[in-house]
Amino acid sequence: QKEVEQDPGPLSVPEGAIVSLNCTYSNSAFQYFMWYRQYSRKGPELLMYTYSSGNKEDGRFTAQVDKSSKYISLFIRDSQPSDSATYLCAMSEPGSARQLTFGSGTQLTVLP
Amino acid sequence: KAGVTQTPRYLIKTRGQQVTLSCSPISGHRSVSWYQQTPGQGLQFLFEYFSETQRNKGNFPGRFSGRQFSNSRSEMNVSTLELGDSALYLCASSAQTDTQYFGPGTRLTVL
Repeated sequence: QKEVEQDPGPLSVPEGAIVSLNCTYSNSAFQYFMWYRQYSRKGPELLMYTYSSGNKEDGRFTAQVDKSSKYISLFIRDSQPSDSATYLCAMSEPGSARQLTFGSGTQLTVLP
Repeated sequence: KAGVTQTPRYLIKTRGQQVTLSCSPISGHRSVSWYQQTPGQGLQFLFEYFSETQRNKGNFPGRFSGRQFSNSRSEMNVSTLELGDSALYLCASSAQTDTQYFGPGTRLTVL
């Protein structure tokens, strides 16, 4: 079993919908949690960075971390066709914070 | 600021050859990490360099190696290429914070 599990989708939603993306993990040592967006043929782009548990909001994006359930989420409000991409969750431990363990990615399509 | 640059962007090699990929981090960033991305295994950590020293290493065979120069530029080398080494190789740089910024990657095809 992988350390980080992520539903690969594909996920297709109409423009304006609220999108919910999720990851579960098994390593309780993970303390740093990130969401990346990757467009086709491009490198991942950092969207959200969260330390430990809690919520973080940035514009249309909200990241939630529930360490007790080993579950993280990314919500996208008012989704746009330009949000169509693969979304990757990533996490790391203290002491090796730059050694990221990634989920497999969820492919999202927002239909106009 | 310019982003992370990787060269070359595309590369075709044959089995048994070796390859060297290059990464220039964002100016001022001293940490460079390398990742392999394949459809089957996703993104996997290869190694991290900071101030010319390897700090962490992922679970890859010794055919995969890297180094970092005094200007923080980094190279990774894969020797005795196998078909399974075909992948997108991504480089990420970071400064004092642990936030990593990725380059566009080098797509390696092994025939």
